[in-house]
Amino acid sequence: GDSVTQTEGQVALSEEDFLTIHCNYSASGYPALFWYVQYPGEGPQFLFRASRDKEKGSSRGFEATYDKGTTSFHLRKASVQESDSAVYYCALAPDTNAYKVIFGKGTHLHVLP
Amino acid sequence: EAAVTQSPRSKVAVTGGKVTLSCHQTNNHDYMYWYRQDTGHGLRLIHYSYVADSTEKGDIPDGYKASRPSQENFSLILELASLSQTAVYFCASSDDWGYEQYFGPGTRLTVL
Repeated sequence: GDSVTQTEGQVALSEEDFLTIHCNYSASGYPALFWYVQYPGEGPQFLFRASRDKEKGSSRGFEATYDKGTTSFHLRKASVQESDSAVYYCALAPDTNAYKVIFGKGTHLHVLP
Repeated sequence: EAAVTQSPRSKVAVTGGKVTLSCHQTNNHDYMYWYRQDTGHGLRLIHYSYVADSTEKGDIPDGYKASRPSQENFSLILELASLSQTAVYFCASSDDWGYEQYFGPGTRLTVL
């Protein structure tokens, strides 16, 4: 079945470090891909989405590029801040089952001052 | 701004008791969802709905029922609460499939 894999469960960085959180997916066709961010005590918030091969999504300095060849949608940020500390979820909406969105298990980012 | 509210924000229930979690959205969205969040599992879909008076099973529906009496309201019902249902529950809404979901603040449920 369709799935989303986030390799890193936890990532620890210092301020101004470069961030990469890996996301790989398994799904047929062209699913829509998403990144969400969840701050402590809150619900997840939508960051951005992409729905076509080579499409780049971006928001708040974060970006990811849809790569059908490698079935990836890796999240990157050039310079992280302490306020970026949160849990990041990669998700996909299959194009064969319109209503179900599948979330990865999340990556907890800790940014040290 | 899109708004999804949940009530209660936290609840302690006894094993075997009935629990109802409520969700209300003012986004005018057709699609609504219930997820549970557990450490190590991320977000898992319990039930969803794309029209009032109709609900669909998600990935982990056992032990849960859902009700969508109107476009704005979506409830999650645990008829016989069990210890394994201790978790944080999130409601979400979206305008259409493949579009972003707006989440509520969550309900922390503890079953003793």
